[in-house]
Amino acid sequence: GENVEQHPSTLSVQEGDSAVIKCTYSDSASNYFPWYKQELGKRPQLIIDIRSNVGEKKDQRIAVTLNKTAKHFSLHITETQPEDSAVYFCAASTDQAGTALIFGKGTTLSVSS
Amino acid sequence: SAVISQKPSRDICQRGTSLTIQCQVDSQVTMMFWYRQQPGQSLTLIATANQGSEATYESGFVIDKFPISRPNLTFSTLTVSNMSPEDSSIYLCSVESKQDYEQYFGPGTRLTVT
Repeated sequence: GENVEQHPSTLSVQEGDSAVIKCTYSDSASNYFPWYKQELGKRPQLIIDIRSNVGEKKDQRIAVTLNKTAKHFSLHITETQPEDSAVYFCAASTDQAGTALIFGKGTTLSVSS
Repeated sequence: SAVISQKPSRDICQRGTSLTIQCQVDSQVTMMFWYRQQPGQSLTLIATANQGSEATYESGFVIDKFPISRPNLTFSTLTVSNMSPEDSSIYLCSVESKQDYEQYFGPGTRLTVT
């Protein structure tokens, strides 16, 4: 089955810096890669996703890149703000109805002002 | 996206008892999933709740311990049976968007077993 590795487990940056979180996956059939942000005591929130027919997707300060050949994808946050502090999870699935997500172990991002 | 609610939001239960968690969605969805998130950990899939048929369980989770019902396209329940302290966790339901298969999570149920 699918296995998703996520690095780093913790990341501390200064406000205004960029943050990058990387994930690798094992199943070449996976073609849908969402990212979730989970603030303390809250539910995971979908912040961006990418499908295998594109290599990069941006949404304001957030971008995700995908390299299907190398089986890795990354989340990039630019101009970080204290409210970006949270746990970020990557996930993978086969983008078909009824396919559950397999999650990475999460990255705790701390943005200090 | 759909509005998802869960009941209860939290509970403290005695060892050996059972708790049923409800997940309600404000629109019809085909697929619902149940996840467990242990303290400080990632999300682990327990099972996929199929409307009109038995749930599909992941390795390490069994129906006797985690029976699931899915009576219609807007509602599902997860029961945690014969609880032990190791079952202390957050239990989350998620639903799959019909349009693009994106998944959205309910607010979770924080369970503490003493």
